[in-house]
Amino acid sequence: GENVEQHPSTLSVQEGDSAVIKCTYSDSASNYFPWYKQELGKRPQLIIDIRSNVGEKKDQRIAVTLNKTAKHFSLHITETQPEDSAVYFCAARGPATGFQKLVFGTGTRLLVSP
Amino acid sequence: GAVVSQHPSWVICKSGTSVKIECRSLDFQATTMFWYRQFPKQSLMLMATSNEGSKATYEQGVEKDKFLINHASLTLSTLTVTSAHPEDSSFYICSARDMGYWTSGSNEQFFGPGTRLTVL
Repeated sequence: GENVEQHPSTLSVQEGDSAVIKCTYSDSASNYFPWYKQELGKRPQLIIDIRSNVGEKKDQRIAVTLNKTAKHFSLHITETQPEDSAVYFCAARGPATGFQKLVFGTGTRLLVSP
Repeated sequence: GAVVSQHPSWVICKSGTSVKIECRSLDFQATTMFWYRQFPKQSLMLMATSNEGSKATYEQGVEKDKFLINHASLTLSTLTVTSAHPEDSSFYICSARDMGYWTSGSNEQFFGPGTRLTVL
């Protein structure tokens, strides 16, 4: 089945710096890769997603890149702000789960210091 | 976006009792809902996939007799933790995907706000 690895587990940056979180997946047929932001005690919130037919997607300060050959995708946050501090999860979905279930990475705790 | 609600938001119960958690899709219909468990500082672990009108599909290692799932309608799935023990204390989150995704092409899975269960 699908396996998703995520790095780093924690990331500390200064306000205004960029942050990059990377994930790798195992099933080359997976075709959907969302990123979620979760604040303490709250639900995961979708912040950006990408399908396998696209190499990059951007939404203001957030971007996701996908390298299908290497089977990895990355979240890029530019001009970080303290309110970006949260836990970020990547996920993948593919044929191994009937294109239904999301397989999550282990999460990255991002801390943005003022 | 679509809204998923959960009830209760938190519950405290005594060891050995059963607890029911409801998950509702408020403005869309979902033939499939998902139940996750999240321990502190850990990722979301899928427990089971809830299918409307049929039996749930459980992930490996999840006891189906302990975590009873019922998906009686296109907008409601329930998770019952039977004979709860302290080790069942966790954050339980449901999610759903709009059954109209086949035509809309939407990939998004919508999450409920979660239920924090504490078993004393």
